Amino acid sequence: DADVTQTPRNRITKTGKRIMLECSQTKGHDRMYWYRQDPGLGLRLIYYSFDVKDINKGEISDGYSVSRQAQAKFSLSLESAIPNQTALYFCATQRQSGNTIYFGEGSWLTVV
Amino acid sequence: AQSVTQLDSHVSVSEGTPVLLRCNYSSSYSPSLFWYVQHPNKGLQLLLKYTSAATLVKGINGFEAEFKKSETSFHLTKPSAHMSDAAEYFCVVSSTSGTYKYIFGTGTRLKVLA
Repeated sequence: DADVTQTPRNRITKTGKRIMLECSQTKGHDRMYWYRQDPGLGLRLIYYSFDVKDINKGEISDGYSVSRQAQAKFSLSLESAIPNQTALYFCATQRQSGNTIYFGEGSWLTVV
Repeated sequence: AQSVTQLDSHVSVSEGTPVLLRCNYSSSYSPSLFWYVQHPNKGLQLLLKYTSAATLVKGINGFEAEFKKSETSFHLTKPSAHMSDAAEYFCVVSSTSGTYKYIFGTGTRLKVLA
């Protein structure tokens, strides 16, 4: 089983709809991240959390919100999806004192 | 401020020939540098990382990278390409501000020709 699991793996939604992407991890890491990948732009940080009570905006947080329900769970929400949020989304984790980030397999989101 | 530049968006090599994927970085402090690989429809997998120990870093699947401070480079190499190496590769610099945020390059897509 994957250490970092994202659900759903693929989703098509309509403009204006609310959509939630969920991430769970079995690595026991304190730090969790949400990234967005667009062709030719690499990965950009949306939100990150260093523990359950800590939530921080990344470089492209507008239009997104997150919830850290537990150490192992970090969800990303699009309150009112728009087409330019069509992208591949990655959840990632990191051990507090370490430096390597471990990624989930990604969630493809298409907003039509 | 930190930044990373991958100099080639696409690289094509023949199977069995050497691979060179170029990465330059900018950092005010001693950086941590990483290479990740992304195969189609897969997440990102760590290939190797440099964290101020040996400047020549060996990774998985025969890849290695050399940290050259004077050239601010961290190029990824492999002596002999395999078809399974076809993927997208990301060079990453880690912020040293204490938050350990990653800054990703825009990626290099490697194509391996039979």
